[in-house]
Amino acid sequence: EPEVTQTPSHQVTQMGQEVILRCVPISNHLYFYWYRQILGQKVEFLVSFYNNEISEKSEIFDDQFSVERPDGSNFTLKIRSTKLEDSAMYFCASSPQGRASGYFGPGTRLTVL
Amino acid sequence: AQTVTQSQPEMSVQEAETVTLSCTYDTSESDYYLFWYKQPPSRQMILVIRQEAYKQQNATENRFSVNFQKAAKSFSLKISDSQLGDAAMYFCAYRSHEYGNKLVFGAGTILRVKS
Repeated sequence: EPEVTQTPSHQVTQMGQEVILRCVPISNHLYFYWYRQILGQKVEFLVSFYNNEISEKSEIFDDQFSVERPDGSNFTLKIRSTKLEDSAMYFCASSPQGRASGYFGPGTRLTVL
Repeated sequence: AQTVTQSQPEMSVQEAETVTLSCTYDTSESDYYLFWYKQPPSRQMILVIRQEAYKQQNATENRFSVNFQKAAKSFSLKISDSQLGDAAMYFCAYRSHEYGNKLVFGAGTILRVKS
C-alpha cells in the first residue's frame, strides 16, 4: 500500500538555525499539507499546497516558514530561524483530491535546543 | 471558525468490552466531513473512520462505528470488542466541504485498554 514518507524521523537543531523537513507524498496525490503537534497538545494545521502554490495557511505559518515542491516527488517545509517553541512533531499529509481524508506520514520530531 | 471538542481527556476499557469516545463540534455549515484518527505511541496518525455529513447512515469499519447526530453536532466513536492494540490517543477531526481542505482537530482522548 502506498505511504507518505518523511525524513528525517528526528532532527535536533540549535535555536536560530534553518531546518528543512522532507516529505514524499503518495505519487498520484494532488494536495499536500503540513501539520504540527507540540508534545501533549492537539494537531494543528500549518499549510496546504495545491497546483504548486499555497492554497491555505494558518496563523502559525508566518514568514519564517516556507514550503516547496522542488521536483515531482518531494514536498518540503523550511523553517528559516528556528525557535525553542518550534519543537514539535511535524506531519506531512497528502490526498488525491481536496475532499478526501489526508494520508499522514510518520512525522518528523523536531527538537530545538 | 469551526471548533472540535473532545471532553474526555482519558478513558479506560477492559479488553473485549465496548467503549465510546465523545466528540462535539461547532459549525455553521451544512455539509462537511468528520473523521476519527488513532495515534499510537509511535505517533503515526492513522485514519480510523470517516463520516460525510450529508449521509444519514452511521459509518462502520469492522469493530469501529460512529454515532453521528447532526442536529446535536455530535460525533462519537464506539469501539467494540476492545483489544490491547486499540490503546492510543484518538483525535476527532472536522473538514469543511466548501472552505478549504484543512483538518481541524480536537484535543484528543487517551484510551487505555486493561487486560
